[in-house]
Amino acid sequence: DAKTTQPPSMDCAEGRAANLPCNHSTISGNEYVYWYRQIHSQGPQYIIHGLKNNETNEMASLIITEDRKSSTLILPHATLRDTAVYYCIVRVRGSGTYKYIFGTGTRLKVLA
Amino acid sequence: GAVVSQHPSWVICKSGTSVKIECRSLDFQATTMFWYRQFPKQSLMLMATSNEGSKATYEQGVEKDKFLINHASLTLSTLTVTSAHPEDSSFYICSASRGVAQQAGETQYFGPGTRLLVL
Repeated sequence: DAKTTQPPSMDCAEGRAANLPCNHSTISGNEYVYWYRQIHSQGPQYIIHGLKNNETNEMASLIITEDRKSSTLILPHATLRDTAVYYCIVRVRGSGTYKYIFGTGTRLKVLA
Repeated sequence: GAVVSQHPSWVICKSGTSVKIECRSLDFQATTMFWYRQFPKQSLMLMATSNEGSKATYEQGVEKDKFLINHASLTLSTLTVTSAHPEDSSFYICSASRGVAQQAGETQYFGPGTRLLVL
């Protein structure tokens, strides 16, 4: 089972910041939080990942709470092309390796 | 950097035939590759993990004799759907990790996916 929970859908006005929350209350001390998005009929696109400090890159910012039990992905100025399903992932230990277990994600719709 | 390609991007085949899908890491060496399947309006489901030069590890419920995975080099993994049937029609996506997947912070990079339709 996925180790994260996200709201199923969100709307955001074009040009406004989109704040996508994620809960990962069982995250272990050395595991990262990863964010990907999937635009219709494409493979997931990497956005950002972080451990405990806030992270920022050209696509987004990631805010992780101090207790690391939740995080928020921020798209500072959403555009119509940001409409996608956003997945928050914490890796799961498998047989000899770590793997991604995808949850249902958040379907973000950016409105004109 | 970190580009993953898949070939073909879509394929239509007759029931009972076998289909091979290739996954390549174009600008990095991938010690570990992963195969996923996605049905319409559903999330990605991990099928198997493959490490270069060793046998793939399949997720529970995935038939290893039906979905043959070969990871013969650090830049290529193949998934063969043997004796395909209409229920195997799906979107197949691969991903690759630069380094050893056990490392903390190791990121997966995904291919664009292959859409399979079995008639």
